[in-house]
Amino acid sequence: QKEVEQDPGPLSVPEGAIVSLNCTYSNSAFQYFMWYRQYSRKGPELLMYTYSSGNKEDGRFTAQVDKSSKYISLFIRDSQPSDSATYLCAMSNQGAQKLVFGQGTRLTINP
Amino acid sequence: DARVTQTPRHKVTEMGQEVTMRCQPILGHNTVFWYRQTMMQGLELLAYFRNRAPLDDSGMPKDRFSAEMPDATLATLKIQPSEPRDSAVYFCASGILTGPEGYTFGSGTRLTVV
Repeated sequence: QKEVEQDPGPLSVPEGAIVSLNCTYSNSAFQYFMWYRQYSRKGPELLMYTYSSGNKEDGRFTAQVDKSSKYISLFIRDSQPSDSATYLCAMSNQGAQKLVFGQGTRLTINP
Repeated sequence: DARVTQTPRHKVTEMGQEVTMRCQPILGHNTVFWYRQTMMQGLELLAYFRNRAPLDDSGMPKDRFSAEMPDATLATLKIQPSEPRDSAVYFCASGILTGPEGYTFGSGTRLTVV
């Protein structure tokens, strides 16, 4: 079993919908939780990160961490076609240390 | 914008040949990572360096892969001999000690071994 599990999708939703992306993990030592966005033929780029539990909001994006359930989520409100990409969750037990990535979820927002 | 530069962007080689991938990290970043991405396995950490010293290369097949940082502006990943199962996209990322927000990925080297 992988340390980080993420449904690879693909996930296809209409423009304007709320998108929910999720990951589960097994390593209770993880403290940093990140979401990366990866466009086709590009490297991943950091969207948001959260330290320990709680919520974090940045514009249309909200990241949630529930350490008791070992479950993290990314919500995208008012989704746009430009949000179409692969979204990867990543975790580490210390800052600036090696990241363990989920498989990535391919998301398509249909106009 | 500061960026991580990887060369070559694409590489097609025959099985058994040596492959060298290069990475120029962002100036001032002291941590460099090599990741491999495949459809089946996703992103896997191969090795990483801090201040040019190797910290962890446990994700790398030691018999054929080697990673080095000859200086602060260059990281290399070599495969010798290459095998078809090495076909993947190889990413370099660089960062700073203070936290994950400092990680920046390059655009990757797409390797095909035939």
